[in-house]
This record gives sequence, structure tokens and C-alpha cells, in this order.
Amino acid sequence: DAGVIQSPRHEVTEMGQEVTLRCKPISGHDYLFWYRQTMMRGLELLIYFNNNVPIDDSGMPEDRFSAKMPNASFSTLKIQPSEPRDSAVYFCASSFLVNEQYFGPGTRLTVT
Amino acid sequence: EDQVTQSPEALRLQEGESSSLNCSYTVSGLRGLFWYRQDPGKGPEFLFTLYSAGEEKEKERLKATLTKKESFLHITAPKPEDSATYLCAVQAPQGGSEKLVFGKGTKLTVNP
Repeated sequence: DAGVIQSPRHEVTEMGQEVTLRCKPISGHDYLFWYRQTMMRGLELLIYFNNNVPIDDSGMPEDRFSAKMPNASFSTLKIQPSEPRDSAVYFCASSFLVNEQYFGPGTRLTVT
Repeated sequence: EDQVTQSPEALRLQEGESSSLNCSYTVSGLRGLFWYRQDPGKGPEFLFTLYSAGEEKEKERLKATLTKKESFLHITAPKPEDSATYLCAVQAPQGGSEKLVFGKGTKLTVNP
């Protein structure tokens, strides 16, 4: 299995632009998570899905952030418009059980 | 308020010098406590799950223990390849959410 696949690996964009991050979870996993990691705040859960249904989006910072999971093999995290404070590493993770999560390699986002 | 606090923030050891990392938590209804390892530029990798006070888990040079208020990750005779950031997370379901809440991690450096 290739593991969790994220794209792009690096994204540099200007403030105000739309950013879309993509994730392909491990086949057969029922849960999908989106996290953001910064030095200041550590690893924070943004949203998670169970069987393609959003369960907890309390970590989504504001309306500029949205996430979708149209099917079991694909999810997107969109930021529109992007701001410099959104600069971080964004991880997608998937799991069969909530606790044993398998993380992707992350997308490093830089907003200038 | 912080639910998970890890200490120290950083730890430097000589190869073979055993030590422990601490994870204290302030949640009620703990369902589980989890340890992950994160190498630079990569996503976290699952290590252990602990469910109840007194439980212990071992993997190579690592042993995780759990009490009612904290968990320790003991590293015996570490090697340079054990250098990584170790993350602790707790699961205490609230309002239908089973999310994990992560600490900020302890960065371990093992010098040869």
C-alpha cells in the first residue's frame, strides 16, 4: 500500500489566493483527518470524517476554510482567501480505528 | 486550556543514556492515551495505545506507562536513530467527537 497520499507537497501562494490541498487515504480506512501543524500551536485537528461524513469541524479556524470528502478515496481542504497566518504544514491522516492514525507526508503551505 | 502537556520540550542524550519523557493530561473520561513519533519533514507515526492506569507497552528500546494523570515514555540505552519528536495524544470523547488532542511534543536528540 502506498500509504496516505497528499498533494501538493509544497505550495507557495500570495495572500488572497485560493489554495486547495488534496488527500487520498489508505484504501479501506473509514476515518479521515485534516491537521495543521505550527511551531507555536503544535498539531491541531481541523476536521475529521467518518464514512465520508464530517463528524467534528470545531477546529476549522473560520469560514475561509472548507473541507469535502466526495468519496471514500479522496478529500480536499480549501482555503479561500488565504492569509499569511495560514502558513503551516497541513497533514491528512486516515485510519480504521480513530486512535491508530496513519499520516501522510504533509503539505507545506507558505502564504506571502 | 491545555489538555495535554509534554515535558521537557527538548532533551539531549548521549547514546546509551536512558531517560524518560513525560505527558500529563487534564481530561475526564479518558478513553485512551497514544504515543506517536515524528521525524523531520514527515508525518507522525503511531507507536502505542494505553487504555488504563497501570498498563505498559514496549517496543524495542521504548516503554510507555500510564497513570491516572500522566504517561511516561521510557527510553532505554537510546541510539542516534531514536532521535525524533515524540508526541502524546489523548482521546476523551465529547459531544459525539472521538478526536485526539495532541501535546506539542518532546524533541529528542541522541548523540553518538
